[in-house]
Amino acid sequence: EVQLVESGGGLVQPGGSLRLSCAASGFTVSSNYMSWVRQAPGKGLEWVSVIYSGGNTYNADSVKGRFTISRDNSKNTLYLQMNSLRAEDTAIYYCARDEVVIKGLRNYYYGMDVWGQGTTVTVSS
Amino acid sequence: DIQMTQSPSSLSASVGDRVTITCRASQDIRNGLGWYQQKPGKAPKRLIYAASSLQSGVPSRFSGSGSGTEFTLTISSLQPEDFATYYCLQHNSYPRTFGQGTKVEIK
Repeated sequence: EVQLVESGGGLVQPGGSLRLSCAASGFTVSSNYMSWVRQAPGKGLEWVSVIYSGGNTYNADSVKGRFTISRDNSKNTLYLQMNSLRAEDTAIYYCARDEVVIKGLRNYYYGMDVWGQGTTVTVSS
Repeated sequence: DIQMTQSPSSLSASVGDRVTITCRASQDIRNGLGWYQQKPGKAPKRLIYAASSLQSGVPSRFSGSGSGTEFTLTISSLQPEDFATYYCLQHNSYPRTFGQGTKVEIK
């Protein structure tokens, strides 16, 4: 069964750090594009970060320079290192597979198809 | 960045109604548009990708259409389990961007 399970959320003070984990099963993280998406309390969805299968990364402007996405291929796990946390980073954080389908010589990008259950990050003093 | 404008922000409908939700992109995204359903306390669930492709296991009462900058999600006959919040997502480029959401409530 294809599954993602996040962990690592919690309460942290402004300016603090936290590392989120996302353990995958049923597929290989390193062969896929993987994204983090967050949702502030009572608000909509906001895309945060992606790591490509090749290892390159891309972040939303709102987290650039503060958050780092990475993966451990041996553990089939995705991470989000969050530094210099602010109150506005308070949210549920979801990891998701960002589907890419290869047909012949072309890549087709279809967005997030598999999601974890989310982990809650609260930034407050 | 591509901005996604979704409308309406909420709607009230009855079981059996036909429901339409619209998303407009700030620039051409070809068919790079997906639709997601989210219920309270749950992760989003993909319904549609590539504007009109139905996700496996999703009921056929859900359909998507459009290309370029204008897209529509249609629920042909609303069922009790369809009351939820719906989001569009442009998956044509990074950064990915979502619409603001449409909450579908019971009339």
